[in-house]
Amino acid sequence: DTEVTQTPKHLVMGMTNKKSLKCEQHMGHRAMYWYKQKAKKPPELMFVYSYEKLSINESVPSRFSPECPNSSLLNLHLHALQPEDSALYLCASSVRTSGLGTDTQYFGPGTRLTVL
Amino acid sequence: AQSVSQHNHHVILSEAASLELGCNYSYGGTVNLFWYVQYPGQHLQLLLKYFSGDPLVKGIKGFEAEFIKSKFSFNLRKPSVQWSDTAEYFCAALNYGGSQGNLIFGKGTKLSVKP
Repeated sequence: DTEVTQTPKHLVMGMTNKKSLKCEQHMGHRAMYWYKQKAKKPPELMFVYSYEKLSINESVPSRFSPECPNSSLLNLHLHALQPEDSALYLCASSVRTSGLGTDTQYFGPGTRLTVL
Repeated sequence: AQSVSQHNHHVILSEAASLELGCNYSYGGTVNLFWYVQYPGQHLQLLLKYFSGDPLVKGIKGFEAEFIKSKFSFNLRKPSVQWSDTAEYFCAALNYGGSQGNLIFGKGTKLSVKP
């Protein structure tokens, strides 16, 4: 089973709202990722968690706040977003981020976010 | 900086035609290479991957890709496409021993197969 689940599937929020995206995997993977994908563009890496610790933050604005409460869960907290933040937010996981390069990333279905 | 280039933005084929999508990467060290597919309205799915060994890699749904180190290429092929292959195809590279989790995607190639 290579399933990564994400909730909600769709989210509409105003610029003053606070919301959270949730990602879950039960494959025993210790690396989890957040990507942002705009229409007709490839995914762009936002954050990487390795063994529940943030290991990469790709200069993402502070209005996006990731959290990894345990090895199976990854959250993305959203606050004071802008309309240009509207996109598909993808979660992925892999066995690890050892740098050995043998770790395939498996993607969830994404949350389609619209900021009004 | 590393990059992945996909030469074709949009490819239109008729059913049963052969497919080859180009992918080149720019990284001198060891890389791990992937092809992902995104069907309309669906999430990214792994088609195939190359880590080491036989440079001809077979994936799901009849796809294959060939790693040619001297050309820094990892082209995707399928002998006979079907209408159901209509999708966006992304080539990606994960550098070996570099930044953790740094999967670099190409810009994608949209494949439209006419029935």
